[in-house]
Amino acid sequence: RKEVEQDPGPFNVPEGATVAFNCTYSNSASQSFFWYRQDCRKEPKLLMSVYSSGNEDGRFTAQLNRASQYISLLIRDSKLSDSATYLCVVNEGVGSARQLTFGSGTQLTVLP
Amino acid sequence: DTGVSQNPRHKITKRGQNVTFRCDPISEHNRLYWYRQTLGQGPEFLTYFQNEAQLEKSRLLSDRFSAERPKGSFSTLEIQRTEQGDSAMYLCASSFQGGSRANEKLFFGSGTQLSVL
Repeated sequence: RKEVEQDPGPFNVPEGATVAFNCTYSNSASQSFFWYRQDCRKEPKLLMSVYSSGNEDGRFTAQLNRASQYISLLIRDSKLSDSATYLCVVNEGVGSARQLTFGSGTQLTVLP
Repeated sequence: DTGVSQNPRHKITKRGQNVTFRCDPISEHNRLYWYRQTLGQGPEFLTYFQNEAQLEKSRLLSDRFSAERPKGSFSTLEIQRTEQGDSAMYLCASSFQGGSRANEKLFFGSGTQLSVL
């Protein structure tokens, strides 16, 4: 079982749609969580951190459920420019040899 | 440009040759990471430095791979006797961390795309 699992997609949605991505992680000791965005042939860039209480940044909402070891990302009113791969990232904690562990990513295409 | 810089952007080599990549992190960052990414996968951790000390290495890092960060600034990743399976994007990332690592955020370079023929 992979440490961080995501639905690879692809998700093809029309402009203006709401889309949600899910991610599960296997290490219950994981301490912090992030969503990164990666455009085609580009480097990953931090989109947002994920806090226990849930957090929002404009059209993006991230939620964490520690009991279920589950992270989600919701994108409202999707734009063409949101088309990218979204990577779920988990920090497995101090002393972990793996540092930040990335999921395989979920590909999103927003269609005009 | 004050971001993470990697050179070269692309490297094509023949199987069995040695290759070396360079990474210049953001200047005030004390941590530097190397990751490898293949198509359809997320980045996989290879190794990381705190200043000049190489603190951790992944099991993925065979003895053909070596990384250095001699003065705690730029880093090099060398692959000896390259194999076709080494073909991948090699990403460098840096961060500044003065205390808890719980909220560490990485800034990535554009990567070096290696093709082993």
